[in-house]
Amino acid sequence: AQSVTQLGSHVSVSEGALVLLRCNYSSSVPPYLFWYVQYPNQGLQLLLKYTSAATLVKGINGFEAEFKKSETSFHLTKPSAHMSDAAEYFCAVSALTSTPLVFGKGTRLSVIA
Amino acid sequence: EAGVAQSPRYKIIEKRQSVAFWCNPISGHATLYWYQQILGQGPKLLIQFQNNGVVDDSQLPKDRFSAERLKGVDSTLKIQPAKLEDSAVYLCASSSRGPKTYEQYFGPGTRLTVT
Repeated sequence: AQSVTQLGSHVSVSEGALVLLRCNYSSSVPPYLFWYVQYPNQGLQLLLKYTSAATLVKGINGFEAEFKKSETSFHLTKPSAHMSDAAEYFCAVSALTSTPLVFGKGTRLSVIA
Repeated sequence: EAGVAQSPRYKIIEKRQSVAFWCNPISGHATLYWYQQILGQGPKLLIQFQNNGVVDDSQLPKDRFSAERLKGVDSTLKIQPAKLEDSAVYLCASSSRGPKTYEQYFGPGTRLTVT
């Protein structure tokens, strides 16, 4: 079985500051890991994914994440926050292709001017 | 390429009433998922279809929820009768059979409020 824990339900950063959103996973098999972003009243948009290739994954909008097997982590980072980054971010895990995603509870990112 | 379409976007009903949601996946996507997202939580799978067959419905409350995917394309999710705790956003997602079968594409969701 898979599970995801996102540390911090709400993170607040200043514009231009580093963004760090934490995600730890549990999986009985090598996982596929994802970060999704959700803007108000919209669906989920894929930011980036880890599928057993490079451990440092680059995504859209300047985000990246690093898969660390020893720490069972897949934290999301962005060097410089922008006001448009304010949204809800979800980390998700799946075991195989075409299997359902198991999501964390989400982290709401606020960006302060 | 058109994305995943869902309708309606919003629905308000009273408890014990029935409601239906519709999803049209990306053309050619064989796998379709319905997720329930309760406020403040991450999405949770309700049911997964592969073409028109059910792959996983273990978390679907079958006494009140039903879903079908006729002809392996569009899908309908129904709740009858609705309870207050069914208030949530219902998300439909689809994925292809190609090299990127792990990528799921989400629709905008249907926000259900049960009063």
